Amino acid sequence: DIQMTQSPSSLSASVGDRVTITCRASQGIRNDLSWLQQTPGKAPKGLIYGTSNLQSGVPSRFSGSGSGTEFTLTISSLQPEDFATYYCLQYNSYPRTFGQGTKVEIK
Amino acid sequence: EVQLVESGGGLVQPGGSLRLSCAASGFTFRNYWMDWVRQAPGKGLEWVTNINQDGSETYHVDSVKGRFTIFRDNAENLLYLQMNSLRAEDTAVYYCSGSLDLWGRGTLVTVSS
Repeated sequence: DIQMTQSPSSLSASVGDRVTITCRASQGIRNDLSWLQQTPGKAPKGLIYGTSNLQSGVPSRFSGSGSGTEFTLTISSLQPEDFATYYCLQYNSYPRTFGQGTKVEIK
Repeated sequence: EVQLVESGGGLVQPGGSLRLSCAASGFTFRNYWMDWVRQAPGKGLEWVTNINQDGSETYHVDSVKGRFTIFRDNAENLLYLQMNSLRAEDTAVYYCSGSLDLWGRGTLVTVSS
């Protein structure tokens, strides 16, 4: 199975900050990576697919980059509604695997 | 509006069975791979199983192989998860997802005596 390791596991940031979350795959997954956002008690929401493609309706302050085994999610200017947990997901092979999540909290 | 609405969760004893349903609307269901993803209380997301557009291919995580079966009814826009031989570690919110892009709100399954 491909292991997905996210860092950090949590972070504190202020509104307006630039935030970067990293996801590392245990083997190459090409660009077969998504990012999801989940707020407490809610369903996940897809943000990015194919490493860098924004889902419809996702604000442009979110961006994704990387390839192979190293990937990043960047929020250019954190907004109040962005405080949530973020997960990376690889869909290059089975079983699909998620990172353990990064909780973004208010400083 | 895209909607995925899960149902069928509840409390079941270890060794018991449960069938989850997911009703899809607002998109062309028959064109999508469909997945079930679960989240144990206070934990992260775990992919469980998926099925291709016509139901001819399915994949499962090892921990549910031989116990869980995914199937679909494209005429009714419904996805199912038949869960047998349930264990305490299967306790989770189960989400229905369209190609891991579209998501339902989930249904809680609790396995406990």
